[in-house]
Amino acid sequence: QKEVEQDPGPLSVPEGAIVSLNCTYSNSAFQYFMWYRQYSRKGPELLMYTYSSGNKEDGRFTAQVDKSSKYISLFIRDSQPSDSATYLCAMGPGGANNLFFGTGTRLTVIP
Amino acid sequence: DTAVSQTPKYLVTQMGNDKSIKCEQNLGHDTMYWYKQDSKKFLKIMFSYNNKELIINETVPNRFSPKSPDKAHLNLHINSLELGDSAVYFCASSSGTGNYGYTFGSGTRLTVV
Repeated sequence: QKEVEQDPGPLSVPEGAIVSLNCTYSNSAFQYFMWYRQYSRKGPELLMYTYSSGNKEDGRFTAQVDKSSKYISLFIRDSQPSDSATYLCAMGPGGANNLFFGTGTRLTVIP
Repeated sequence: DTAVSQTPKYLVTQMGNDKSIKCEQNLGHDTMYWYKQDSKKFLKIMFSYNNKELIINETVPNRFSPKSPDKAHLNLHINSLELGDSAVYFCASSSGTGNYGYTFGSGTRLTVV
């Protein structure tokens, strides 16, 4: 079983829609949770960061972590064509350990 | 001013050749990484260095050898390239253990023919 599971999509939505992206994980030691956005032929860029359980909001983006269910989500409100990218979740236990990445969900927002 | 820069961006080479990819970061981070991203976008850690010392060395063929001359640079040398080495290689850096996220370079697209 992979450490992190993420639906690869692809996901197509009309402009203005609410998008929900999700990841599940198996390691209960994970404490640090992130979402990265990767445009085509570019490196991943950090979008949201959350420590432990709870919600975090930044503009149109909301990250949620439910450690009891080992489930994290990223919500994008009022989606824009510029949001079209691959979204990767990442997480880790902290300390001198690397992050584990999901396989990414490819999102297309149609004008 | 690019935070994490990799060179070259594209590399096309024949099987059996030896090649190097260079990475430099100007963020003052003390930890650097090499990741391999396959055609399905899966990012897999290869190596991690903290202050020039190797701290993570995943199961990677011996043909891959990282070198960190100082904490701002992490290079990757690949010997005897194989077709299966074709992928995008990303360098990243972080402050400390990277619990607050990594900064990635723009990647080196390696194609072995």
